[in-house]
Amino acid sequence: GAGVSQTPSNKVTEKGKYVELRCDPISGHTALYWYRQSLGQGPEFLIYFQGTGAADDSGLPNDRFFAVRPEGSVSTLKIQRTERGDSAVYLCASSLTSNNEQFFGPGTRLTVL
Amino acid sequence: DQQVKQNSPSLSVQEGRISILNCDYTNSMFDYFLWYKKYPAEGPTFLISISSIKDKNEDGRFTVFLNKSAKHLSLHIVPSQPGDSAVYFCAANTGGYQKVTFGTGTKLQVIP
Repeated sequence: GAGVSQTPSNKVTEKGKYVELRCDPISGHTALYWYRQSLGQGPEFLIYFQGTGAADDSGLPNDRFFAVRPEGSVSTLKIQRTERGDSAVYLCASSLTSNNEQFFGPGTRLTVL
Repeated sequence: DQQVKQNSPSLSVQEGRISILNCDYTNSMFDYFLWYKKYPAEGPTFLISISSIKDKNEDGRFTVFLNKSAKHLSLHIVPSQPGDSAVYFCAANTGGYQKVTFGTGTKLQVIP
């Protein structure tokens, strides 16, 4: 079956703009995670959804970052007033439940000029 | 505060030999450890894991060893194959809850 998909694969934007990154998890997976991977670093946890609700958003760096999962499937990560430091690969993962292996998507490479 | 550390950014190994990737952690609350493999332009792929109640887990050519007293784990790949060339991330979490903390990765190159 289809894996986790993320769109767009690449996004270039200007400082101060608003961006939305989309994640389509594996069908039936109830848990969904967002990570950010900066150059030379490992993935860093941002937020975790169980169903429609954000169970843990402790990794979001500040209030410019927000994520939703309104129907418990697709999720959107929203970044307002982008800064150059937001440039990174944003990874999405899903798992059957929160106690199962996470499957990662290919990521969205965000570049803020 | 880097709770999971991979101090070797890169490693080169001859095909057929053993690859040993090391990882240290500082958070004694971690009770589940994972290794992920990542190819360029792809997301990380789960490779192997180990619970803190064990000290060894083996899956084919891959074996993970855990030394809780030293807060150290290692991944052994034997024999190494060119297709194993990738970045390997060590990761950990607590209590089955899958907020995973990753290390910075080790880039493995297996030379034919």
